[in-house]
Amino acid sequence: AQKITQTQPGMFVQEKEAVTLDCTYDTSDPSYGLFWYKQPSSGEMIFLIYQGSYDQQNATEGRYSLNFQKARKSANLVISASQLGDSAMYFCAMREGNQFYFGTGTSLTVIP
Amino acid sequence: DGGITQSPKYLFRKEGQNVTLSCEQNLNHDAMYWYRQDPGQGLRLIYYSQIVNDFQKGDIAEGYSVSREKKESFPLTVTSAQKNPTAFYLCASSISRWGQGTYEQYFGPGTRLTVT
Repeated sequence: AQKITQTQPGMFVQEKEAVTLDCTYDTSDPSYGLFWYKQPSSGEMIFLIYQGSYDQQNATEGRYSLNFQKARKSANLVISASQLGDSAMYFCAMREGNQFYFGTGTSLTVIP
Repeated sequence: DGGITQSPKYLFRKEGQNVTLSCEQNLNHDAMYWYRQDPGQGLRLIYYSQIVNDFQKGDIAEGYSVSREKKESFPLTVTSAQKNPTAFYLCASSISRWGQGTYEQYFGPGTRLTVT
């Protein structure tokens, strides 16, 4: 079974609008971490946001927020007020111990 | 500046040659990782190391080898046994102790390897 599932290969959003990128995960470990990374066309992986499995509140970092629904095992990324520079690949990842698992990514295109 | 360096950014090799990709970090991280990324795909784990002189195979270790003689360095050798070596290779590191902080992975800029 896939540890991380991202079901949206590609997404489009109008500039200044909000967009939600979906991510579901699979684990039986009670202690885990969830991450989102952005990968622009240059290839570097940029850490965006983190959610711990024991965190009670949804994580937020500037325009990024993580909608954590533990019972549903989902960790969707919400980007508010999209900017042209947000166009990139976005990867959801999970940490179990020292192992990291990545989804297949969602390509986000921001339309002017 | 703390970070991870990978060199070179672009690498070209002839089929049948071994090639070594460099990865150095000055973040004092115990754990280091090598991933392979093919066009339009996610990251697949090749090898990882949690401590000096120890490393474990990831999902696609066949045709690759690593060493971890120093905490700062985790070079990856792509051998001639790797059937489709052309790809983008990313090195990463993280703090190994679980339970404190976010423990995200820090990534290097990557090496694009082309084998013809």
